[in-house]
Order: sequence, then C-alpha cells, then structure tokens
Amino acid sequence: EPEVTQTPSHQVTQMGQEVILRCVPISNHLYFYWYRQILGQKVEFLVSFYNNEISEKSEIFDDQFSVERPDGSNFTLKIRSTKLEDSAMYFCASSKWGGANYGYTFGSGTRLTVV
Amino acid sequence: AQRVTQPEKLLSVFKGAPVELKCNYSYSGSPELFWYVQYSRQRLQLLLRHISRESIKGFTADLNKGETSFHLKKPFAQEEDSAMYYCALSQGGTALIFGKGTTLSVSS
Repeated sequence: EPEVTQTPSHQVTQMGQEVILRCVPISNHLYFYWYRQILGQKVEFLVSFYNNEISEKSEIFDDQFSVERPDGSNFTLKIRSTKLEDSAMYFCASSKWGGANYGYTFGSGTRLTVV
Repeated sequence: AQRVTQPEKLLSVFKGAPVELKCNYSYSGSPELFWYVQYSRQRLQLLLRHISRESIKGFTADLNKGETSFHLKKPFAQEEDSAMYYCALSQGGTALIFGKGTTLSVSS
C-alpha cells in the first residue's frame, strides 16, 4: 500500500535555527497538508497546499512557517527561526482529492525538539 | 468556535465487552465528522466518516445533531482494537479539527 514518507523521524535543533521537515506524498495525490501535535495536546491543522499554492492555513501558520513543493515529489515545511514552543510531532498528509471528506493518508511524523 | 471534545482520556474494557468512545462537537453549520485511529507505532489512519454510514472493523458511529455527538461504538471489543482514537470535524474545507483522543485498552 502506498505510504507518505517523512524524514527525518526525529530532529533536534537549537532555538533560533531554521529547520526543514521533509515529506514525500503518495505519487498520484494532489493535495498536501501539515499538522502538528504538541506532546499531550491535540493534533492541530497547520496548512493545506494544492497546485503550488496554500489553499488554507491556520492561525498557527504565521510568517515563521512556509511550505514548498520544490520538485515533483517532495513537500517541505520550513520553520525560519525555531522557538521552544515549536517542539512537537509534525505530520504530513496527502489526498487525491480536496476536502477532508475523502480522507487523508498521514505520514508517521517527524518529532522536532527545539533546545 | 469549532471544537471537538473527547471526554475520556482512557477507556479500559475486557475482550468481548461493548465499547463506546464518546465524541461531542460544537459547530453551527453542517459538520463532516470522522474517526481516525492510531495503532501502536503506526500512522494515524482514517477509520470511518459519517457520510459513508459504514461499519469498519465492526465499528459504527452515528451523527446525532440534536446532541451534537458522534460516538464510536463496537458491540464486542477485540484485543487488536487497542489504539488511540481521534474524533475529527471538518467545516467543509480541507482542515480537520481533532479532539484530544481516547486511548482504548482491551484486555483479555
């Protein structure tokens, strides 16, 4: 069964550093998403991306965050200057069609630890 | 504000017992509701969605608009059902609003 792949599985970074989290969505999927889960809290929506544009974003997704599809396969989340409160599990997801009703395929996540 | 509440952090049952995982939501429009499941060391995956009115792995969930609930039920729990269960709501767009999740533990 096709999978969404996320790398690395765990990243430790110093506060103030830039970090890029990488995702390879399922090859025939057109919609891509990032979610995060701070330890002990809810899974929270960050952003959705389609046709090389952000289609929806949450209040969490401020100017410190950006997303990119640099080539035909990768989908990245960049945090420009990390803060301690950015420590979380970040999940990438993809879907063939837009809208949550079609269901998303999630990756296994990248645990980001900011020290 | 839109919100999904799962009041139980942990639900422990014996194998063969009925299971009900509670989910309540607050949303003024017509919600789309889902249950996602995360088995140990596995990814978050869609279990079922209310519009399909399907039964997956013996689980069902009925949307009750009067009570603003979408509880997940199974008549006879199995040990392999042990997992983290998340209720989620969509407002028709692409974003999902998740509850905090309930850990279901089924023991023999």
